[in-house]
Amino acid sequence: AQSVTQLDSQVPVFEEAPVELRCNYSSSVSVYLFWYVQYPNQGLQLLLKYLSGSTLVKGINGFEAEFNKSQTSFHLRKPSVHISDTAEYFCAVSDTGGFKTIFGAGTRLFVKA
Amino acid sequence: DVKVTQSSRYLVKRTGEKVFLECVQDMDHENMFWYRQDPGLGLRLIYFSYDVKMKEKGDIPEGYSVSREKKERFSLILESASTNQTSMYLCASSLRAMGGNSPLHFGNGTRLTVT
Repeated sequence: AQSVTQLDSQVPVFEEAPVELRCNYSSSVSVYLFWYVQYPNQGLQLLLKYLSGSTLVKGINGFEAEFNKSQTSFHLRKPSVHISDTAEYFCAVSDTGGFKTIFGAGTRLFVKA
Repeated sequence: DVKVTQSSRYLVKRTGEKVFLECVQDMDHENMFWYRQDPGLGLRLIYFSYDVKMKEKGDIPEGYSVSREKKERFSLILESASTNQTSMYLCASSLRAMGGNSPLHFGNGTRLTVT
């Protein structure tokens, strides 16, 4: 069985500061890893995904994530955040053969002026 | 772009009512999913379907059923609504051909309140 742990439920940060949202996963099989973003009153949309290859993955809106197999982590980073990045961010995993995607509990990012 | 449309943004129903949540996608995706989103719990899978008339239980199927009569439409049914089913419900779809690496495309959600 797989599980996903997002280590911070809320992250407040000032505009133009860097941010890291942490995600750890556990799985006995190979997995695909995703980050999704949910803006207020909207559904989730894909931010980036790791399937294979380079461990540094770049996504939309200047976000990137690094896959670390030894630490079973997939942390999301942005070097300089904007007010418009205020949203909830979800880390997710799916196994390579199945249909089920497992989500973490979410991290609410607040960007302050 | 894939569009996943959920028929209602907000619903208020009474305890014991039968409730239907409808979802339609326009990109010919084989897979469709219903998730429930609650604060602090993230998204939990209720049911999914990988083909017309096929359905599989997710992690929290109790109190719910689903129907998929057409490829583009996936309905979630609360047979007898209870207050603990008050939640945000999210529908999603994905391509089956890509397997587990196919990202999910979500609707905007239905916020259901059961009183």
